[in-house]
Amino acid sequence: AQSVTQPDIHITVSEGASLELRCNYSYGATPYLFWYVQSPGQGLQLLLKYFSGDTLVQGIKGFEAEFKRSQSSFNLRKPSVHWSDAAEYFCAVSGGGADGLTFGKGTHLIIQP
Amino acid sequence: GAVVSQHPSWVICKSGTSVKIECRSLDFQATTMFWYRQFPKQSLMLMATSNEGSKATYEQGVEKDKFLINHASLTLSTLTVTSAHPEDSSFYICSAASGRALDEQYFGPGTRLTVT
Repeated sequence: AQSVTQPDIHITVSEGASLELRCNYSYGATPYLFWYVQSPGQGLQLLLKYFSGDTLVQGIKGFEAEFKRSQSSFNLRKPSVHWSDAAEYFCAVSGGGADGLTFGKGTHLIIQP
Repeated sequence: GAVVSQHPSWVICKSGTSVKIECRSLDFQATTMFWYRQFPKQSLMLMATSNEGSKATYEQGVEKDKFLINHASLTLSTLTVTSAHPEDSSFYICSAASGRALDEQYFGPGTRLTVT
């Protein structure tokens, strides 16, 4: 069965500092990997996705993620965070096609002024 | 583009009653729709996958007779929580995928259900 692990429940980062959110997955075949952000009272927004090709993926809002097959990881990064980045971040995996997503438990990002 | 709506955004119902939640794809045809459940401060759990015109496929542990899913058209799927109990209180989120790009799902804003 597929699974996603986000080891950090909470992360606090100062505004302007760099950010890395960790994600490890377990999947028997080539995974389709996603990062979503959920702000209070809002729906899930897709930040970026990886299907194949270049393992460094660029997303919206200045985010990027790197797929490392050898480490089964898909960590999310941002060079300089803004207060508006405070939210819940979810990593997800699927087999593509008509598969539903398997989500990690999420990482709550807190931005310090 | 790729907007998914849900109605209602929140609902309160009494224990033992049924409540219906609608999920609509507003600007594309959704051949597949998914229903997720999110408990407070927890992750989303896939409940079921529905394809237009066919029966939904439920995940293990999800009661199909309690959570009735209908996907009658390419733009509408409904989730009916039957004989609701307080433990059914949760945040229900739908997503939709089109036949052209099934690799990406577009999520609705969610419905907060509170059963008293």
